[in-house]
Amino acid sequence: EIVLTQSPGTLSLSPGERATLSCRASQSVSSEYFAWYQQKPGQAPRLLIYGPSRRATGIPDRFSGSGSGTDFTLTISRLEPEDFAVYYCQHYGSSPYTFGQGTKLEI
Amino acid sequence: QVQLQESGPGLVKPSETLSLTCTVSGGSISNYYWSWIRQPPGKGLEWIGYVYYRGNPNYSPSLKTRVTMSVDTSKNQFSLKLTSVTAADTAVYYCARGGHGYDYWGQGTLVTVSS
Repeated sequence: EIVLTQSPGTLSLSPGERATLSCRASQSVSSEYFAWYQQKPGQAPRLLIYGPSRRATGIPDRFSGSGSGTDFTLTISRLEPEDFAVYYCQHYGSSPYTFGQGTKLEI
Repeated sequence: QVQLQESGPGLVKPSETLSLTCTVSGGSISNYYWSWIRQPPGKGLEWIGYVYYRGNPNYSPSLKTRVTMSVDTSKNQFSLKLTSVTAADTAVYYCARGGHGYDYWGQGTLVTVSS
């Protein structure tokens, strides 16, 4: 089973700042099958990025993803108030499809 | 617009079977993988497994002995059964469509395991 470790656990920033979230895999994963999700309290996760740099439908271009092998990054160029949430990475190239433990982005 | 809706009991007794159904509307269940993901209160996401519209389920090793997933294409639904539940199975259960990542999710349903 591939373990995904996200860092930091909590990231405290202000609107307008740049956020960089990391996800490290315990073994190399296919970047084609890697995704990032955003989850707000009481809501289902929302797909942000897949493949690992393609934005899902309707996702603003301030969100970008990069990486390969074991290291992946989600970048939010200029934080908006609605971006403060929990972010999860996931691989789905081989079973089991695991998620990272999440990074909480707080003001 | 594709929509998913989970349905099933919100309370299950220990040792019994948790049964949930996900109804897909606004699109066909064909040609996609359909998954169940759960989230214990205050914790992260746990992948339970997926089932292709033609069958061929794939389950998380940690739950494999207790999980069954199936698809009913005539009703545009897929389902989850989890046997011998304990308090550790208390969670919000989500259904989701798999393709390039999970692009559509249900709103989630809280299932509590308690006597």
